[in-house]
Amino acid sequence: GAVVSQHPSWVICKSGTSVKIECRSLDFQATTMFWYRQFPKQSLMLMATSNEGSKATYEQGVEKDKFLINHASLTLSTLTVTSAHPEDSSFYICSARDFRRSGNTIYFGEGSWLTVV
Amino acid sequence: EDQVTQSPEALRLQEGESSSLNCSYTVSGLRGLFWYRQDPGKGPEFLFTLYSAGEEKEKERLKATLTKKESFLHITAPKPEDSATYLCAVSEAMGYQKVTFGTGTKLQVIP
Repeated sequence: GAVVSQHPSWVICKSGTSVKIECRSLDFQATTMFWYRQFPKQSLMLMATSNEGSKATYEQGVEKDKFLINHASLTLSTLTVTSAHPEDSSFYICSARDFRRSGNTIYFGEGSWLTVV
Repeated sequence: EDQVTQSPEALRLQEGESSSLNCSYTVSGLRGLFWYRQDPGKGPEFLFTLYSAGEEKEKERLKATLTKKESFLHITAPKPEDSATYLCAVSEAMGYQKVTFGTGTKLQVIP
């Protein structure tokens, strides 16, 4: 079964509004989670590393004020897309490393489709 | 800078036709190489983790191998349900947990 859960799976929002995506690690604690963005027929692009209890680390070119990341607990990280625009429409995926399984395997959430209209 | 290159970009096989997918990597101090399967519109599904050269892991029709420069994902007698994009990723160090992904190989198995 899934070990990392994302919610919502699908979301449609109006341009200019904000939308929050949740990423939860199930039955394990994740001090670090990762947020990716994936465009059609392309590979995963790391956006930021979410650190529990501290600020997220953003990759070059990713606007931290637009993509707000909060890692409030050891099992939950949230990505908020602020003032969304149609070009933010994409597939967003989170992942977390479980050090207990297979020696620190990284598991992914099911992904969240964001459509900004 | 870590690099991960997967080949071929796309592969079309007849059902039962075995083949291999390649993942070449350059990284200073490999901590782990991961293989994932991704179906359209879904998050990647974990398949294998390999840690050191010479290591092999199997799961049903899939077998992953690792050398110091590359990894292979062998698919034996594939079935249509094996059709998916297969992603390879490398993790450089335990302290900094960044994972670098390849662009994937899109596999299509024809009945």
